[in-house]
Amino acid sequence: DGGITQSPKYLFRKEGQNVTLSCEQNLNHDAMYWYRQDPGQGLRLIYYSQIVNDFQKGDIAEGYSVSREKKESFPLTVTSAQKNPTAFYLCASSPQGAGNQPQHFGDGTRLSIL
Amino acid sequence: SQKIEQNSEALNIQEGKTATLTCNYTNYSPAYLQWYRQDPGRGPVFLLLIRENEKEKRKERLKVTFDTTLKQSLFHITASQPADSATYLCALWDYGQNFVFGPGTRLSVLP
Repeated sequence: DGGITQSPKYLFRKEGQNVTLSCEQNLNHDAMYWYRQDPGQGLRLIYYSQIVNDFQKGDIAEGYSVSREKKESFPLTVTSAQKNPTAFYLCASSPQGAGNQPQHFGDGTRLSIL
Repeated sequence: SQKIEQNSEALNIQEGKTATLTCNYTNYSPAYLQWYRQDPGRGPVFLLLIRENEKEKRKERLKVTFDTTLKQSLFHITASQPADSATYLCALWDYGQNFVFGPGTRLSVLP
C-alpha cells in the first residue's frame, strides 16, 4: 500500500538539542510539505519542496531546517533555535503541489520538551 | 489581514441528523477549497475538493458548497452516524500561495 510514514510517533527533546523527524513516501509524489499543528490552530506550513534538491520556507520556518536529497524522503530538523517546539508535526505529499490535488498526510510526530 | 475561520470549535448533533460545518475566509481568492477529516492522533484525510466555479459537490453522504460572493464554504454530512465524529478541516488554495488550513471543527454525533 502506498502512503506516508512518519517516525517516530513520539519524540522528546532536551534543551539545546537538535532533533530530526523522518518522513518517507512511496507515492511517487514530487511535492512534500511539513506542517505544525497546535491546539485550536490550523495547520501552519513550515517548509515545502516541489522537486528534489529544492525547498522553500513556509510561514513559520524559523528554527527549522529540511533537506530533499531523494524524492521519497523529506526530513525535518527542529533546531535549538526553535524556542517553542512542543507540537504535533505532520508531513504531507501531493503529486505536483497543485491546488486541485489532495494532500496525503502521515500520522504525525508529537514532539515534547523534557 | 488574511484569515480563515471555521464556525465553531465544537458541534454536537444527534445521530441521523444533518451536520453543517462552516468555513469562512477573508482577503483570499481561492481557486480551490478542500475538506479533510482528522481523527485524534492521526493525520488529516482528504474528503472533497471544490473549484471556484463550482457551486456544489457531492460524495455519498457528503456535500460541499462554495459561495465566492459570501466567501464561505458549507460542509454537510447527511444521516450522520457516531462514526462521523472527528475534527473536520477546511483548506483553501490561492494562486501564488500554498494551502491555508482552518482551525477545524470537532464534530460529535451522539447516539
